[in-house]
Amino acid sequence: NAGVTQNPKFQVLKTGQSMTLQCAQDMNHNSMYWYRQDPGMGLRLIYYSASEGTTDKGEVPNGYNVSRLNKREFSLRLESAAPSQTSVYFCASSRLAGDQETQYFGPGTRLLVL
Amino acid sequence: GQSLEQPSEVTAVEGAIVQINCTYQTSGFYGLSWYQQHDGGAPTFLSYNALDGLEETGRFSSFLSRSDSYGYLLLQELQMKDSASYFCAVRDPWNQGGKLIFGQGTELSVKP
Repeated sequence: NAGVTQNPKFQVLKTGQSMTLQCAQDMNHNSMYWYRQDPGMGLRLIYYSASEGTTDKGEVPNGYNVSRLNKREFSLRLESAAPSQTSVYFCASSRLAGDQETQYFGPGTRLLVL
Repeated sequence: GQSLEQPSEVTAVEGAIVQINCTYQTSGFYGLSWYQQHDGGAPTFLSYNALDGLEETGRFSSFLSRSDSYGYLLLQELQMKDSASYFCAVRDPWNQGGKLIFGQGTELSVKP
């Protein structure tokens, strides 16, 4: 099992360029998430998807769009990148067992917007 | 709303014991989780407490007091590799499909 995979691992964009961050999980989880983490900061939720075909905004959705392509894949798109979007982006999926939710994170995508 | 508070930084020496506290406010409670994140890496799950008391997993233990809305992570026999950020988290009670709310993280520095 690869767990949660993310592509690309690193990316440099110019202001105004667009790009899509890819995420896939092979654990058959229903829920998937996109977070951003700035230096020395915690995890901020951008968007999440509780199941295939549904997406919801998190804490910081502005400037982003998402697509839950199927149960495995959840992509994050930046339509017009801004320097404020320079960050590390983590995708996660979660397993719910009774009341316990456990999230599994991908290795992250490091994005620099110039 | 839901919120969690934890110290931003903790420093300890190799071989010592350190406790990282977390207080939470939530309208519905489903247990307290802890995650570890090494610099630049992915957060990974450490422990989960649904009931009051201490759960031990090797050198790491996690404690919960639901009446005090408080928990802590206890790290014993500290090693340099324990230097990392530690996040406490609770489930969002308004999302039955699952969603975690994370604290801001505590950066643990272990000194030789």
